[in-house]
Amino acid sequence: SAVISQKPSRDICQRGTSLTIQCQVDSQVTMMFWYRQQPGQSLTLIATANQGSEATYESGFVIDKFPISRPNLTFSTLTVSNMSPEDSSIYLCSVSGTANTGELFFGEGSRLTVL
Amino acid sequence: GEDVEQSLFLSVREGDSSVINCTYTDSSSTYLYWYKQEPGAGLQLLTYIFSNMDMKQDQRLTVLLNKKDKHLSLRIADTQTGDSAIYFCAETPTSYGKLTFGQGTILTVHP
Repeated sequence: SAVISQKPSRDICQRGTSLTIQCQVDSQVTMMFWYRQQPGQSLTLIATANQGSEATYESGFVIDKFPISRPNLTFSTLTVSNMSPEDSSIYLCSVSGTANTGELFFGEGSRLTVL
Repeated sequence: GEDVEQSLFLSVREGDSSVINCTYTDSSSTYLYWYKQEPGAGLQLLTYIFSNMDMKQDQRLTVLLNKKDKHLSLRIADTQTGDSAIYFCAETPTSYGKLTFGQGTILTVHP
């Protein structure tokens, strides 16, 4: 299984500011995924991040609001820009298992509260 | 687009079996997953099943897949209070692709 570490685990942010979330994996993975879980809701995919290329965003999510970096095969960042209270959510990083067996693992999530 | 549906609540008594149901619409679903989320925590992968399987058992967990009806279920035997959590069903057409999640089923286990 893959071990995924996210930072910060939680933060309280002011409206209009930006915050960068880090995702570190203990093994090299081709694809990393960023999800959002709004309060009391299910998870929605924000984007897919491949090393060496631009992230692919899902409908309703744009690069200006959620810029993503993927500098190597074990690390990615998601920035939530110009935050508003509607961005208060848990943001989760996900990767596939190294054996390509179908396992998909999640980090513990980063819980953001925007005031 | 793809849709995954789950019942929102399930309440059982400790020691009983729990059955959480899920239906999906994507006929190209290849992998189907069950995740557990405890309060304030991330998602824990409980088990998953490949679409060419009908059943998968792992200790107290049994997954049943009816591909014809696009129905997936998770049975937890001898349910314990520590099993109280939100359970998410999810599907993807590839082994590394994006997941489509259900709304989650809140399982409450009473002593």
